[in-house]
Amino acid sequence: QVQLVQSGSELKKPGASVKVSCKASGYTFTNFALNWVRQAPGQGLEWMGGISTNTGNPTYAQGFTGRFVFSLDTSVSTAYLQISSLKSEDTAVYYCARGGIGVTRPLDFWGQGTLVSVSS
Amino acid sequence: EIVLTQSPGTLSLSPGERATLSCRASQSVSSYLAWYQQKPGQAPRLLMYGASSRATGIPDRFSGSGSGTDFTLTISRLEPEDFAVYYCQQFDSLPRTFGQGTKVEIK
Repeated sequence: QVQLVQSGSELKKPGASVKVSCKASGYTFTNFALNWVRQAPGQGLEWMGGISTNTGNPTYAQGFTGRFVFSLDTSVSTAYLQISSLKSEDTAVYYCARGGIGVTRPLDFWGQGTLVSVSS
Repeated sequence: EIVLTQSPGTLSLSPGERATLSCRASQSVSSYLAWYQQKPGQAPRLLMYGASSRATGIPDRFSGSGSGTDFTLTISRLEPEDFAVYYCQQFDSLPRTFGQGTKVEIK
C-alpha cells in the first residue's frame, strides 16, 4: 500500500536550519511528484510547491523561495524539505503529499505531518 | 493565482442531516477541483477529485458537483465521523491553491 512516512517533530531556535524527510513506499517513486503543504497552528492548508521525482525539478510557490529547498534521494525514495534561517512564523506542521505538479493530479496520499517549532 | 472561496465558514448540523459545502474559484479551473477532509491532529485525506469522482474507500454519502468556477460537496446524511474541516483545492494551474476551509460541527 502507498505510504508516505515523515520524520519526527523538530524544535529549533530562530536562525537555525531544519531538514524534513518524506519516505515513500508502495509505488514507483519516480512516477508521481511530491508536494509540500504547510499548516500553521489553527490555520488552513497552504501549498508550498513540490518536486518532480522524475527530473528533480522543484517548483516553489510565492512566499516559499529563498529559504526553502526541496530535494530528493531517489535511491531511497525520499524527498526532503530544508528550511534555513528559521523564523518563529515558520512554526507549523509540514506535510508531504503525492500528486501532480506539471500534470493535473490531486494530492491522493499524504504523510502524517512533521511539526516544526521555532522558539528561542 | 486562483483564489478559492469556501462557504460557509462553519456549518452546524446534527447527525443524519444533509451538509452542503460550496467552493467558488476566481477563474475557471475546469473540473480540476478536489475536496479534502481533515480531522483534528490528522493529515488531510482526499475525498473527491475531478469535481465529482470519489477517492478510493470514500463512502457514497459523499458527492461532488460543479465545473468552471462553482463547486459543491454534499454529504447526504452526516455520520459522527464526518464532523471535520473540509478544504477544496484546485489542481488546474500553478500555484495550486486551497480554500480556507469549512468546519462541519455538531449542532
